[in-house]
Amino acid sequence: DGGITQSPKYLFRKEGQNVTLSCEQNLNHDAMYWYRQDPGQGLRLIYYSQIVNDFQKGDIAEGYSVSREKKESFPLTVTSAQKNPTAFYLCASSPQGFEQFFGPGTRLTVL
Amino acid sequence: DAKTTQPTSMDCAEGRAANLPCNHSTISGNEYVYWYRQIHSQGPQYIIHGLKNNETNEMASLIITEDRKSSTLILPHATLRDTAVYYCIVRAGRGGSNYKLTFGKGTLLTVNP
Repeated sequence: DGGITQSPKYLFRKEGQNVTLSCEQNLNHDAMYWYRQDPGQGLRLIYYSQIVNDFQKGDIAEGYSVSREKKESFPLTVTSAQKNPTAFYLCASSPQGFEQFFGPGTRLTVL
Repeated sequence: DAKTTQPTSMDCAEGRAANLPCNHSTISGNEYVYWYRQIHSQGPQYIIHGLKNNETNEMASLIITEDRKSSTLILPHATLRDTAVYYCIVRAGRGGSNYKLTFGKGTLLTVNP
């Protein structure tokens, strides 16, 4: 089955800990994205990558880091510098410049 | 990217057509209109997009006014499973370097039995 997987679905962490969210796609898409969604709000772009070994900051990159070592994978690390990390995190991928396809999301709760 | 304006919420009876409006009065000539929807606690799902002409696929129809300042997404026979937040997004170009999708708050469509 082709698609985008995110794991885990729910994640709980203590305040001050770094946490890495997984995103994998087998659609052979060049571009991948990370968005954050807060309750009742739209999605906000954190980071995006158009090609392996390259990525750019989105609108709210502070406190987050990413890597793109493989075409299929785009993990997001939420660092302790992120002041309010509790949110719903969505990963997406697309062929260059075309429609974005989203994963099921990871709900992160920081205790 | 141009800004869009959508109603906060709408209701529709099951089996009837759902017509979701979107205003994008500052749209530029090279900007496309995209529609996505998000069912509660899931990732957004692409529905349809268009530039000037009306478009139709298996999910919906997109009607864009001649001046391109507004559009309407039509779900011809709404079902309970169509209850979701619908996002209208304007984005420059279908290729090239501008990949960003800017999501607003969208319209919560509730389909009632």
